Amino acid sequence: GQNIDQPTEMTATEGAIVQINCTYQTSGFNGLFWYQQHAGEAPTFLSYNVLDGLEEKGRFSSFLSRSKGYSYLLLKELQMKDSASYLCAVRISGTYKYIFGTGTRLKVLA
Amino acid sequence: NAGVTQTPKFRVLKTGQSMTLLCAQDMNHEYMYWYRQDPGMGLRLIHYSVGEGTTAKGEVPDGYNVSRLKKQNFLLGLESAAPSQTSVYFCASSYSTVAGPDKNIQYFGAGTRLSVL
Repeated sequence: GQNIDQPTEMTATEGAIVQINCTYQTSGFNGLFWYQQHAGEAPTFLSYNVLDGLEEKGRFSSFLSRSKGYSYLLLKELQMKDSASYLCAVRISGTYKYIFGTGTRLKVLA
Repeated sequence: NAGVTQTPKFRVLKTGQSMTLLCAQDMNHEYMYWYRQDPGMGLRLIHYSVGEGTTAKGEVPDGYNVSRLKKQNFLLGLESAAPSQTSVYFCASSYSTVAGPDKNIQYFGAGTRLSVL
């Protein structure tokens, strides 16, 4: 079967750093994606990993370990506008499909 | 550049009624997807299409049909709506998934909020 696990909720303070973890067990793997989704809006692409290691994009970084079935999204210098849900998704190799986790709702407090 | 456009944005149906959700993309993407998003369950794939004239079933296809007569449009139909189909529906598109990492990014529409009473 296909399974992706993320924490349901996290809270952090403005200016701080937060790490959102994602573990996956899938029948195949061809890339892991992170999306941001503000309440009532569409998911928007944040980051992508297909090889092990860290990908950095401004205040956002994402890490992947394929052997451990593990990824994390790191958000630095948190801002109030970062309050949103963060979705972890895996593209299944040999298919055209993506499996999404249930998302982590992040609250950033002043 | 509009990206992915979904219509309508909101709809209320009675049980047994039918409706069609329209998704249009102007990015010349090959692949299009329909998802539903329910509280605590994340995005679940209903149907998808890898090109004009082709469709395939996803994880939760029962009660839905789709058509892709034109490359830019992907229609989702509910023939006889049920309360269990109350959800937020998202359409997404991407380039061919074999075209390289950047081409695997999915672009989402703003969603359709459907209530079935």
